Amino acid sequence: EPEVTQTPSHQVTQMGQEVILRCVPISNHLYFYWYRQILGQKVEFLVSFYNNEISEKSEIFDDQFSVERPDGSNFTLKIRSTKLEDSAMYFCASNPLGGTYEQYFGPGTRLTVT
Amino acid sequence: TQLLEQSPQFLSIQEGENLTVYCNSSSVFSSLQWYRQEPGEGPVLLVTVVTGGEVKKLKRLTFQFGDARKDSSLHITAAQPGDTGLYLCAGGATGNQFYFGTGTSLTVIP
Repeated sequence: EPEVTQTPSHQVTQMGQEVILRCVPISNHLYFYWYRQILGQKVEFLVSFYNNEISEKSEIFDDQFSVERPDGSNFTLKIRSTKLEDSAMYFCASNPLGGTYEQYFGPGTRLTVT
Repeated sequence: TQLLEQSPQFLSIQEGENLTVYCNSSSVFSSLQWYRQEPGEGPVLLVTVVTGGEVKKLKRLTFQFGDARKDSSLHITAAQPGDTGLYLCAGGATGNQFYFGTGTSLTVIP
């Protein structure tokens, strides 16, 4: 069964460093998302992406964040200058048709900023 | 920001008991998804409901979307230890933004 994959599973970085989190969505899906989940808190929407551009973004997704689909298969989230409060699980999800359809989540990347 | 409140936050029951988890909001959603999440893993989709009043069944799980599309419930019949996990509701809003609920942590004791 097709699934969303994410790499790395765990990333440790120092405050102020740039990180890139990678995702491979399900191949025939059209919409892609990034979410984060701070330990013990709820899942928070960051951004949705369709047709090579951002569709929606939350107030969390500020200028420090960017997304890209560089090669038609990978979907990346870049954090330019990490802060301690960026430590969280980051989940990628894909959606076959967008809108009210379901999302399929990857296993997540645990980002630890020290 | 549209808020989804889930209740109860924690639930511990004996195997074989029935339970209901609620997901409430003051906002209207175009769809409502229920997910289950294991520790350290991503949410796994259980069901999507899109029509007010809609009821869907998945084996021992029954999902209902409120008539006004502001709330939803998940009912589990004869709970089993394998049902243990974090249950999340998520509302689909305009465009492609989804809002997650606060979660209900269920423990089923054998």
